[in-house]
Amino acid sequence: QQPVQSPQAVILREGEDAVINCSSSKALYSVHWYRQKHGEAPVFLMILLKGGEQKGHEKISASFNEKKQQSSLYLTASQLSYSGTYFCGTGRTGANNLFFGTGTRLTVIP
Amino acid sequence: AAGVIQSPRHLIKEKRETATLKCYPIPRHDTVYWYQQGPGQDPQFLISFYEKMQSDKGSIPDRFSAQQFSDYHSELNMSSLELGDSALYFCASSLQNQPQHFGDGTRLSIL
Repeated sequence: QQPVQSPQAVILREGEDAVINCSSSKALYSVHWYRQKHGEAPVFLMILLKGGEQKGHEKISASFNEKKQQSSLYLTASQLSYSGTYFCGTGRTGANNLFFGTGTRLTVIP
Repeated sequence: AAGVIQSPRHLIKEKRETATLKCYPIPRHDTVYWYQQGPGQDPQFLISFYEKMQSDKGSIPDRFSAQQFSDYHSELNMSSLELGDSALYFCASSLQNQPQHFGDGTRLSIL
């Protein structure tokens, strides 16, 4: 049931853009995006509920394609603070627990 | 704002010992989750509680058990510890269908 993320790792220069994808083989009710720095707790970025909505938070936005069971996280004009491992967490109808994806390690260099 | 509190932050045990991890959720959150994260791995869902009742179960070994108490704090009890149990254990809390907020985790090391 674990969603698959791509790419596994990406290195960006400050100011560049990136897209992280999350795909599931199961029907999705919600997608949650988290960023985790090494040895720290995952930090919530945004949640998308089924309906194909797109959400944004400053320079980070995400979309959710319920039909394709996919979500994408868009990072624009990346900053050094964006470095970390990004996880998508997928939720099913009637359950609150999340199945976390395989993770994408993002490194932003000056 | 109050966050999820986990204790202890670090715990060292030997094989076959037992361990108890504690979690204090954000006030008024009705759901508590436990996750296990091995080195370089994604968080794996173990178990969750909604209003003090077990609501969902993931890849939690039979050697582990958990409960949520009347004050909403939760404990993860681990017995017959194995080397492979060494990991970061996170507790998270949320309202129903709302984002999960994670505690800082307990780093468990088995010698």
